[in-house]
Amino acid sequence: EAQVTQNPRYLITVTGKKLTVTCSQNMNHEYMSWYRQDPGLGLRQIYYSMNVEVTDKGDVPEGYKVSRKEKRNFPLILESPSPNQTSLYFCASTPSSSGQGKTQYFGPGTRLLVL
Amino acid sequence: GDSVTQMEGPVTLSEEAFLTINCTYTATGYPSLFWYVQYPGEGLQLLLKATKADDKGSNKGFEATYRKETTSFHLEKGSVQVSDSAVYFCALSDHSSASKIIFGSGTRLSIRP
Repeated sequence: EAQVTQNPRYLITVTGKKLTVTCSQNMNHEYMSWYRQDPGLGLRQIYYSMNVEVTDKGDVPEGYKVSRKEKRNFPLILESPSPNQTSLYFCASTPSSSGQGKTQYFGPGTRLLVL
Repeated sequence: GDSVTQMEGPVTLSEEAFLTINCTYTATGYPSLFWYVQYPGEGLQLLLKATKADDKGSNKGFEATYRKETTSFHLEKGSVQVSDSAVYFCALSDHSSASKIIFGSGTRLSIRP
């Protein structure tokens, strides 16, 4: 089954404790992206990657890191989480970075609480 | 920069009522437009899309028409069901970076039996 998976689905942590949220897709998509969803703000892009070893900042990259060593995986790293990073996070993938109208496929989300 | 504005929720309707969720956009060039739906506890999934002016996207009884003259992409359904209860996001893809999606803030829809 074609899908985007994220782990963990739920995470409670404390300020300053490094964490990684994994994202994996089995559709051989080139483009992957991370979003955070906050009430009243919709989804905001954190980072994106157009292919292996190619990553760039989205609209709200502060406090986050990413890597793209393999095509299928795009982990999100919070080196020193803070309470304002409490949010619902989504990973998404798209077949290609070129051409309009390409559908993004979303993972199920990771709900993060930073105390 | 590009942006999407959609009507604030929550929207509560009775089953079989007519639904409209308004969406307008600001963009340079000619973006593609989307409606995504998020059911409780799930990620977003594409509901419908339109890639050029006057295109109509449709799926599951929902439809939306890309109106360039009014920069709008309103979502409509003639007769809603309880199972349509979800959060709906209007979105556009920037023409210069087609895989970057700009989302509206979302509209929560609740349908009463």
